[in-house]
Amino acid sequence: GEEVAQTPKHLVRGEGQKAKLYCAPIKGHSYVFWYQQVLKNEFKFLISFQNENVFDETGMPKERFSAKCLPNSPCSLEIQATKLEDSAVYFCASSQSGSGPGNNQPQHFGDGTRLSIL
Amino acid sequence: TQLLEQSPQFLSIQEGENLTVYCNSSSVFSSLQWYRQEPGEGPVLLVTVVTGGEVKKLKRLTFQFGDARKDSSLHITAAQPGDTGLYLCAGAGTGNQFYFGTGTSLTVIP
Repeated sequence: GEEVAQTPKHLVRGEGQKAKLYCAPIKGHSYVFWYQQVLKNEFKFLISFQNENVFDETGMPKERFSAKCLPNSPCSLEIQATKLEDSAVYFCASSQSGSGPGNNQPQHFGDGTRLSIL
Repeated sequence: TQLLEQSPQFLSIQEGENLTVYCNSSSVFSSLQWYRQEPGEGPVLLVTVVTGGEVKKLKRLTFQFGDARKDSSLHITAAQPGDTGLYLCAGAGTGNQFYFGTGTSLTVIP
């Protein structure tokens, strides 16, 4: 597609339940990024993929968080045993290439999934 | 640790006023991007600056990349209510990660 599509728009879970978020990147984009936005301002990088391979996972919490980008399927971000502090808007972005020197492709963002943990 | 600090964090001004947003870091970036985010949406790219000292203009918005590629500024002339939003700078590291700034929430009052 022409846009990054994130589903669902809003997800409500009780504390301790599992949450799974989906992202369909723009067709032809090789890189997918996940970010967590808390309190409307702070944008925290979680993980990036190059096609189906994890490229950079330095931002992923060691426990409870996992992500996948499988061929012919939307990418997913899964949180096990959710906690109140996981409440945030999770954004997915895709780009044609990476951000290293010489690659200045913009990241195209979806509209986010608002995760509310009660 | 936040690599990119933006200032001010919040800004509320009258329509027609000018403003400058700053994005500062102790790290060098190969390029830096500015995004604007409106409520309920993802950030949208405004500009990418690559060369130290580079200045780019986008209508009433002027972007500058510092000579040492560690900082950047966004100047808006004659702000309009449509400029309201969250402005984010993002620096590209040597890997594949973008480091987002702390954000500046701008409100332009008609």
